[in-house]
Parts: sequence; C-alpha cells; structure tokens
Amino acid sequence: GAGVSQSPSNKVTEKGKDVELRCDPISGHTALYWYRQSLGQGLEFLIYFQGNSAPDKSGLPSDRFSAERTGGSVSTLTIQRTQQEDSAVYLCASSPKTGNYGYTFGSGTRLTVV
Amino acid sequence: LAKTTQPISMDSYEGQEVNITCSHNNIATNDYITWYQQFPSQGPRFIIQGYKTKVTNEVASLFIPADRKSSTLSLPRVSLSDTAVYYCLVGGDNQGGKLIFGQGTELSVKP
Repeated sequence: GAGVSQSPSNKVTEKGKDVELRCDPISGHTALYWYRQSLGQGLEFLIYFQGNSAPDKSGLPSDRFSAERTGGSVSTLTIQRTQQEDSAVYLCASSPKTGNYGYTFGSGTRLTVV
Repeated sequence: LAKTTQPISMDSYEGQEVNITCSHNNIATNDYITWYQQFPSQGPRFIIQGYKTKVTNEVASLFIPADRKSSTLSLPRVSLSDTAVYYCLVGGDNQGGKLIFGQGTELSVKP
C-alpha cells in the first residue's frame, strides 16, 4: 500500500482481556518495527522483524506480549491478559531493510484498558 | 547503542529560524543521524538524514560537525504548523532493527 496501515485505530478493552493489533507495512519493506508510546512520553522500542524473523525480543515488556509476522508482510502484536499499564499508543513502522534507513510510521493504535 | 540527548522543550515565534541540537557522544563510525517530526495523534514522520557536514532538503537542514558528536536540525522561518515533537535518532546497520528514540524536543511556535 501507499503507507503503513494499522488497525484498529482505537481499542477499548476490559482488564484481563486479550487484544490483537495489526500492522500492514509498505509493500516490499522487509523490516517492520513496533514501538509503544505512553501519554506524553517518547517512543519505547518493543520488537523488530527482518522478514518473518524477530532477532531481538528483549524490548517486549513482559511475557504477556508477543508478535508475529507472516509472509514477510502483515504483523500482529498480541497482548494477553491486558493490564491498565498497557494503555498506550502502539506504533508500527516499516523500512526497506533493517538499520537506520528512514522509517515510515503508521498512525498507531490507541489502546485503552479499563 | 548511541544515546542521544536533546532539550526537552523549545519556544519560538513564527518566521524565526529554529535550531535544535542533539548530542550523541558515543556515535559509531557506521551510524547515521536521522530526525523525525511527530504531531499529536500521529506517528513520527521522517524529516532528514545525514552522516557528516551538511544536508539540506525542502523542509530542513542538518548540520553535523567533523567529530559527529552532535547534530543540529535547522528549521527556517517556522510557522504555527511546525509545532511538534522532534526526535533525533542515531544508528546504523550494526544494531539491526533495535533503534532507540530519545525523549524528543517539544517545539512550540507562537504567533
């Protein structure tokens, strides 16, 4: 597509429920990144993919967070048993390859856990 | 990973030139310097990238001294629409995809 698409744009969920956030990167971009941004804060690195592989998962906040990417395209970030501290904007970005090559970000998914 | 330090906030007036400096003392030989702009409720947007000396595009200029331990983003004649958070990002191939953004500089442009 023309840009990075994320869905849903907004998600309100009850504490303890599981949520799935989707990212559709720019066609042909092999690198995909997930960041989290809490209200008024900077960007917190979560995970990146090179193709379908995630070489570094150390940024995931807890084992309730997982991510996958299939077909070198769409990625899903799953949060199990959501907690109120998970409330944030989850941003996805893609680039032609990994490294500092200029990311294109999506508009994010605003997650609110009530 | 190169750590970056920027001013937390800056104020300016319409029509002025704004310079935002980022310190990155432990920048590596293969690292590039990239700046992003973020408006509220949007993802960051790529502005400019450089390795050394000066880079200019239709939006901004990036000045990088010879030692590369800092960089300055220059926005000419800012307008109200330039009010945003500006992030400096330093990295290259060796970190793979794990690139860490700093806290950013919140620029407020006043009429």
